[in-house]
Amino acid sequence: SQTIHQWPATLVQPVGSPLSLECTVEGTSNPNLYWYRQAAGRGLQLLFYSVGIGQISSEVPQNLSASRPQDRQFILSSKKLLLSDSGFYLCAWSAGLNSNQPQHFGDGTRLSIL
Amino acid sequence: SQKIEQNSEALNIQEGKTATLTCNYTNYSPAYLQWYRQDPGRGPVFLLLIRENEKEKRKERLKVTFDTTLKQSLFHITASQPADSATYLCALLSGGYNKLIFGAGTRLAVHP
Repeated sequence: SQTIHQWPATLVQPVGSPLSLECTVEGTSNPNLYWYRQAAGRGLQLLFYSVGIGQISSEVPQNLSASRPQDRQFILSSKKLLLSDSGFYLCAWSAGLNSNQPQHFGDGTRLSIL
Repeated sequence: SQKIEQNSEALNIQEGKTATLTCNYTNYSPAYLQWYRQDPGRGPVFLLLIRENEKEKRKERLKVTFDTTLKQSLFHITASQPADSATYLCALLSGGYNKLIFGAGTRLAVHP
């Protein structure tokens, strides 16, 4: 069966520090991968998606970047964190076959910027 | 651009009753609509998908309807239980690559 792992679960970082959140998927090949941010009481905002190794599309301009160095690995990064980067970050995957596919989420990273 | 509206107020119901949650969208009708459940501090979990040519979809105690004329989906949980307490999110297809737009969700609280 397929599984998705995100780490760390919780992270507290000072303003201006770098960031690296990692997400890995097991049990599937060529998945579509997604990074979301969820503010308290708000919906999920799609940040990046990827349909293959090295292929990254950004949905909103921001202080973050994403990379996909391997088929089942998706990384969210920042060189210098801002206070506004605080939030709940979720990684998800879906089968890359067609668009009638559900997304499967990790358990997220709670990021607090001090 | 597509916009999704879910009731931001929490829905409180008594155990055993049917819970009904609403998802309204604007602009174009999507090819399909999905419902997810999210527990506090966890990622959303997929529940049901309904296509535009389907009026109704069922899975155990869950039922989803899709009215493309009203631009609305209703999500029903029959014989609700306290374990059904969670936030329920509605999501629509947005462009290619299976991208989704999510509503903010409605929190359901089922009381014993």
